[in-house]
Amino acid sequence: GAGVSQSPSNKVTEKGKDVELRCDPISGHTALYWYRQSLGQGLEFLIYFQGNSAPDKSGLPSDRFSAERTGGSVSTLTIQRTQQEDSAVYLCASSSPHTLYEQYFGPGTRLTVT
Amino acid sequence: AQSVAQPEDQVNVAEGNPLTVKCTYSVSGNPYLFWYVQYPNRGLQFLLKYITGDNLVKGSYGFEAEFNKSQTSFHLKKPSALVSDSALYFCAVRDDTGGFKTIFGAGTRLFVKA
Repeated sequence: GAGVSQSPSNKVTEKGKDVELRCDPISGHTALYWYRQSLGQGLEFLIYFQGNSAPDKSGLPSDRFSAERTGGSVSTLTIQRTQQEDSAVYLCASSSPHTLYEQYFGPGTRLTVT
Repeated sequence: AQSVAQPEDQVNVAEGNPLTVKCTYSVSGNPYLFWYVQYPNRGLQFLLKYITGDNLVKGSYGFEAEFNKSQTSFHLKKPSALVSDSALYFCAVRDDTGGFKTIFGAGTRLFVKA
């Protein structure tokens, strides 16, 4: 079946512009996660959504970052007034309680802020 | 607060030799532990997980991991390494207190030499 998809795969933007990154989780997965992976670094947790519960936003690095999940499916991560330090690969993952929450990752969006 | 430590940035082994990639964790409740692998130019893939039960868990590609509660460790092992095992390995943890926040380690790069 279809895996997690993310778009765009690459995004180059100028410093100060806003960007939107999209994630389509696996159908039926109730949990959706966003992570950031900087070059050569580990995964930094940003936010997760689980069903209709309030999202855990504890990993968002600043108020320039926000995310929403519409209808319990597609999610959008928005970065306002981008800075060069925002350059990274943004990964989305989804999981299901039926598989005890192992996460399935999308291919990522590589964001470059010039 | 949850945390994960992967004390080795890099592990080098010869093909055919056993390999170990180390991971220690800290959680408030009982841990759910995961290993993921990132092959070059490919997305993150789930390898194995420990939720409860037998301390030795087996996963994909011949990998296994041993949960040690007293040492708060979850080391990844394989009896005989392959060159194709060369990749970046991530340990991850979440607790059983109800939240879905998952913390990843910084990653360990495994090099298997022929």
